[in-house]
Amino acid sequence: QKEVEQDPGPLSVPEGAIVSLNCTYSNSAFQYFMWYRQYSRKGPELLMYTYSSGNKEDGRFTAQVDKSSKYISLFIRDSQPSDSATYLCASKDSSYKLIFGSGTRLLVRP
Amino acid sequence: DSGVTQTPKHLITATGQRVTLRCSPRSGDLSVYWYQQSLDQGLQFLIQYYNGEERAKGNILERFSAQQFPDLHSELNLSSLELGDSALYFCASSVAGPSGANVLTFGAGSRLTVL
Repeated sequence: QKEVEQDPGPLSVPEGAIVSLNCTYSNSAFQYFMWYRQYSRKGPELLMYTYSSGNKEDGRFTAQVDKSSKYISLFIRDSQPSDSATYLCASKDSSYKLIFGSGTRLLVRP
Repeated sequence: DSGVTQTPKHLITATGQRVTLRCSPRSGDLSVYWYQQSLDQGLQFLIQYYNGEERAKGNILERFSAQQFPDLHSELNLSSLELGDSALYFCASSVAGPSGANVLTFGAGSRLTVL
């Protein structure tokens, strides 16, 4: 079993839709949770990170962590074609290792 | 430009050969991470250095090795290359030690093709 699981998609939505991206994790020691966005042929870039459980909002993006169910979510409101990319969730405990999910490919249709 | 520099951008080589991938971290960052990304495996953590010392090891093959030099740049050496080693290799850097969110900044990657 992978430590961080993510549906590979692709997920196709119309412009303006609310997008929900999800991950599950197995390691109870994970404390930090991140979402990275990766455009084709580019390196991943950090979107948001949260510590422990709770919500965090940044513009059109909301990250949510539920440690009781080991569930990580990213919501994108008013999705735009420029949001089309692969979204990677990642988790970390107190060590140096940052473990990534396999990524969900999102396509926002104009 | 993320500030993390990786060279070469593209590399084509034959099975059995050896290659070296180079990474210069963002100015001020002490940690360097190496990841391998292939279509079927996603982003796989290989190894991590902090200020010249190896601090974490992931699924790195024995044919692969890495080091971080005193000027903080890092090299990933891949030897006895196999077809399955074809992938994107990313370097990332961060300023932090093990505690904290340890946000990574990624380079643009080195695309390795083994024929």
